[in-house]
Amino acid sequence: DGGITQSPKYLFRKEGQNVTLSCEQNLNHDAMYWYRQDPGQGLRLIYYSQIVNDFQKGDIAEGYSVSREKKESFPLTVTSAQKNPTAFYLCASIRGTSGTYNEQFFGPGTRLTVL
Amino acid sequence: AQTVTQSQPEMSVQEAETVTLSCTYDTSESDYYLFWYKQPPSRQMILVIRQEAYKQQNATENRFSVNFQKAAKSFSLKISDSQLGDAAMYFCAYRSANTGKLIFGQGTTLQVKP
Repeated sequence: DGGITQSPKYLFRKEGQNVTLSCEQNLNHDAMYWYRQDPGQGLRLIYYSQIVNDFQKGDIAEGYSVSREKKESFPLTVTSAQKNPTAFYLCASIRGTSGTYNEQFFGPGTRLTVL
Repeated sequence: AQTVTQSQPEMSVQEAETVTLSCTYDTSESDYYLFWYKQPPSRQMILVIRQEAYKQQNATENRFSVNFQKAAKSFSLKISDSQLGDAAMYFCAYRSANTGKLIFGQGTTLQVKP
């Protein structure tokens, strides 16, 4: 079955540590996105990538980094510079950026907790 | 910059009744798309309905329909014959035709009472 996988489902990190969240898709989608969701709030865009080896900052990129070396993979690193990293992180992908029927598919999410 | 506003943090509806969730947005773009997503307790994002800005006809998907008022920049979701499974957080989202970025509202938690 095609879809988006995120791992791990739950992640605990000590303060000062970098941690990487995995996102893989087998939908052959061109664009991939990382969102952060805080309790009771909407999703905010961290980074996005429309093609391999290229990515752009979203609205809240500070303290995060990404790479896009392969079309199917878009890992997110939460660095120690991110002051409040405890949140729910969602990865999404889309076939292209134009056209309504290019539905944005979401992964199941990773819950990151800083101890 | 585009913004999306959902002014109702919580709503409740009696099972089998109809409820309308509000959404307004702000943009200077002429080509864009609007969506409603559902997020149940599992936190999986599920697309409910979508609307192309250039279409005047309101989208419908079974019990879900929208009232799209482009001039007023309003995009409300109507759920008819509400079911217990409709209980979730609902997000309104705007997508730029240029970048594909989704901009979300703050969400509305819908409670369905039996």
